[in-house]
Amino acid sequence: DAMVIQNPRYQVTQFGKPVTLSCSQTLNHNVMYWYQQKSSQAPKLLFHYYDKDFNNEADTPDNFQSRRPNTSFCFLDIRSPGLGDAAMYLCATSRGRGGEPQHFGDGTRLSIL
Amino acid sequence: DAKTTQPNSMESNEEEPVHLPCNHSTISGTDYIHWYRQLPSQGPEYVIHGLTSNVNNRMASLAIAEDRKSSTLILHRATLRDAAVYYCIPANTGNQFYFGTGTSLTVIP
Repeated sequence: DAMVIQNPRYQVTQFGKPVTLSCSQTLNHNVMYWYQQKSSQAPKLLFHYYDKDFNNEADTPDNFQSRRPNTSFCFLDIRSPGLGDAAMYLCATSRGRGGEPQHFGDGTRLSIL
Repeated sequence: DAKTTQPNSMESNEEEPVHLPCNHSTISGTDYIHWYRQLPSQGPEYVIHGLTSNVNNRMASLAIAEDRKSSTLILHRATLRDAAVYYCIPANTGNQFYFGTGTSLTVIP
């Protein structure tokens, strides 16, 4: 059974049109992460939530925002997508910090027209 | 954050053991060493992790050098399903994962 679920698997949006990607989890984990993975590159951490505490990476563009309304759900908002934002977006969870394994979803592939 | 060095690619024959090395010479004393693998169009999959001692699970073994500056992931009998990109990730106390370039493993039938 899928434990970290990302919908949709494929998302197409227009240049400059806001888009929201969603992630849900059935693990009741405290921490949720968002990664961006461009073609032939490794995943890159954008930000994470420890419970309701938001932690942004220093080099994450302001165009990327996140919301976590409850334990189970986390959203990635891209306010004005550019062509360079086309990528796979991965959501992950972990029970806590301090070396806990992360559980990844299968990602949403975002295309920008 | 600790930087990692892994071979870009490796090959193995099916049913033979595979040793995937990783150098993480700047690792701090509290960083756990995680190994993940990723198949095309899928999210990374947890393989194994450890702090100081060698670790075994049903998927693999992890050998950690005594000075913790390097580690080796051991797949005991490679199968075609093990073909993937393998990432070695030292995780800090905040549990943020900073992926390196990884090793692309090819398994030859």
